[in-house]
Amino acid sequence: EAGVTQSPTHLIKTRGQQATLRCSPISGHTSVYWYQQALGLGLQFLLWYDEGEERNRGNFPPRFSGRQFPNYSSELNVNALELEDSALYLCASSPDRGEYNSPLHFGNGTRLTVT
Amino acid sequence: DQQVKQNSPSLSVQEGRISILNCDYTNSMFDYFLWYKKYPAEGPTFLISISSIKDKNEDGRFTVFLNKSAKHLSLHIVPSQPGDSAVYFCAPSYNFNKFYFGSGTKLNVKP
Repeated sequence: EAGVTQSPTHLIKTRGQQATLRCSPISGHTSVYWYQQALGLGLQFLLWYDEGEERNRGNFPPRFSGRQFPNYSSELNVNALELEDSALYLCASSPDRGEYNSPLHFGNGTRLTVT
Repeated sequence: DQQVKQNSPSLSVQEGRISILNCDYTNSMFDYFLWYKKYPAEGPTFLISISSIKDKNEDGRFTVFLNKSAKHLSLHIVPSQPGDSAVYFCAPSYNFNKFYFGSGTKLNVKP
């Protein structure tokens, strides 16, 4: 079984630009979660998608957005990049629709660096 | 909004000894608690969990203890092995949400 895959592995952008990060969940998983891990901090919840819809979002500004496609893959977009957006962005998938306490399966992340 | 705190950023333990990682939370609604382990350059992986109806759950060398009155849980690793060196995240939830993670504790097990 292929795990959660994220691309690109590394991304370098300039302040003010836009970044697009991609995630493919484990086959059969319908829920996708995005987290940000800034240096020295824990995982901060960004967004949750299920069945193509945004189900919840964390305490982040609207320039963080995303979508989920019919094949359940997902995209995270960060507009008007700021230096503090530099972080590891982790995608996770879950086999349930937020109905059970099944653990998350994480990808290896995209390291975004904003200069 | 620090609902989950892991107050020890790092812990160093000798191989073969016990490792104790702590997690405190403030939200009394949390009813399920998970621990994840993260190696460098990899995503976190699920390690062990406990429901609020229990106070202890054991899986091999790993045991999680829950003290609901103190809003505190701990992860015990006995005996610790060098391969256990990683960052450990506490992740409580309620209503099946998966939104909360602690800041992590970096465990170093010395040979």
